Amino acid sequence: SQQGEEDPQALSIQEGENATMNCSYKTSINNLQWYRQNSGRGLVHLILIRSNEREKHSGRLRVTLDTSKKSSSLLITASRAADTASYFCATDAWSSGDKLTFGTGTRLAVRP
Amino acid sequence: DGGITQSPKYLFRKEGQNVTLSCEQNLNHDAMYWYRQDPGQGLRLIYYSQIVNDFQKGDIAEGYSVSREKKESFPLTVTSAQKNPTAFYLCASSMRHGAFFGQGTRLTVV
Repeated sequence: SQQGEEDPQALSIQEGENATMNCSYKTSINNLQWYRQNSGRGLVHLILIRSNEREKHSGRLRVTLDTSKKSSSLLITASRAADTASYFCATDAWSSGDKLTFGTGTRLAVRP
Repeated sequence: DGGITQSPKYLFRKEGQNVTLSCEQNLNHDAMYWYRQDPGQGLRLIYYSQIVNDFQKGDIAEGYSVSREKKESFPLTVTSAQKNPTAFYLCASSMRHGAFFGQGTRLTVV
């Protein structure tokens, strides 16, 4: 079963615009992470936010976490064509033995 | 160079054959995972291991088997019982601060 569901499934924007992706999950978590996947490749870890944190920044990335709504968002500012990829959220929780469970992903296309 | 290595990159299996996918890490991570990804889909957990000589089934373990005899290695066997094995397989290792992924093995049944 998928713990997380990303929204939207696909997003197309112009270079320079901001991209926002959302992730909703079902059960209480320890941490939420965001990953990026270029086509046909492995995933690359972007950022981790703990359940007691509300916001985190890393370069052009901003992640928020709302545990009351069981949701997170990933904002990529000033997008570039090289940001074109699929983005996944992943959660871990004590209740599921700390296994890392992924959402369905958002496919982002940044037009030059 | 620290990292996680999957091999082979491409693998072809005949119907009724068992095949083994290799995953090796030199990151000294305790936890290792195997995921399956179908085209345009998310990752589904097959098996995971938090410690040597111990592993747990994920959401789609049927038709797969694993072993964890060494901390560095977590091979996945796709058995003939897996009726639809064509997919992209990803191995990962983790120490709680984030998972590192291999580059994947693309398995095709011929």
